[in-house]
Amino acid sequence: GQNIDQPTEMTATEGAIVQINCTYQTSGFNGLFWYQQHAGEAPTFLSYNVLDGLEEKGRFSSFLSRSKGYSYLLLKELQMKDSASYLCAVRGVRRDSNYQLIWGAGTKLIIKP
Amino acid sequence: DAMVIQNPRYQVTQFGKPVTLSCSQTLNHNVMYWYQQKSSQAPKLLFHYYDKDFNNEADTPDNFQSRRPNTSFCFLDIRSPGLGDAAMYLCATSRGGTPSNEQFFGPGTRLTVL
Repeated sequence: GQNIDQPTEMTATEGAIVQINCTYQTSGFNGLFWYQQHAGEAPTFLSYNVLDGLEEKGRFSSFLSRSKGYSYLLLKELQMKDSASYLCAVRGVRRDSNYQLIWGAGTKLIIKP
Repeated sequence: DAMVIQNPRYQVTQFGKPVTLSCSQTLNHNVMYWYQQKSSQAPKLLFHYYDKDFNNEADTPDNFQSRRPNTSFCFLDIRSPGLGDAAMYLCATSRGGTPSNEQFFGPGTRLTVL
């Protein structure tokens, strides 16, 4: 089967750094996405990794290790508005005309003052 | 601004009463998706259109149907909603053909079944 594992919930302090991990087992790999989803709202795109290594984008960075089936999202200088769920999604094999996207259940990040 | 629009944002229906959710996009993307998301769960893909081609997920109940009359619009029909169908329904779009193309989501329709 295919699965993606993320911690259910994490708590961090405003101004600190937090790392949200994602491990995956999928039949085929064509990249990994991170999305942010505030409560009651739609997911919004944060990052895409297809090669090993770290991609930095402002306060957010995303890391990928394909050999380990592992990724993390690193959030620096945490702000209260970063309180949200963070979803990991893996682009799998091409099926019919499109590539599968397998979603994790998301990690709820709670930021405390 | 180019965007994905969903109407209504909130829908209340009665058990067994058909309901239609709508999605429109100004991004001119050729792929449109319908997801069901329940609280603290991953979005569950119901089906997607790649251009005019309809692709149903194997575990999507027959109770759920979809129509895409043109590139910009897509509808989700729930023929006989049950209590278990109460959820957030998300419409998303993307450009097809390249794995790196991200999906753009609408704000969602929250469905309540009484």
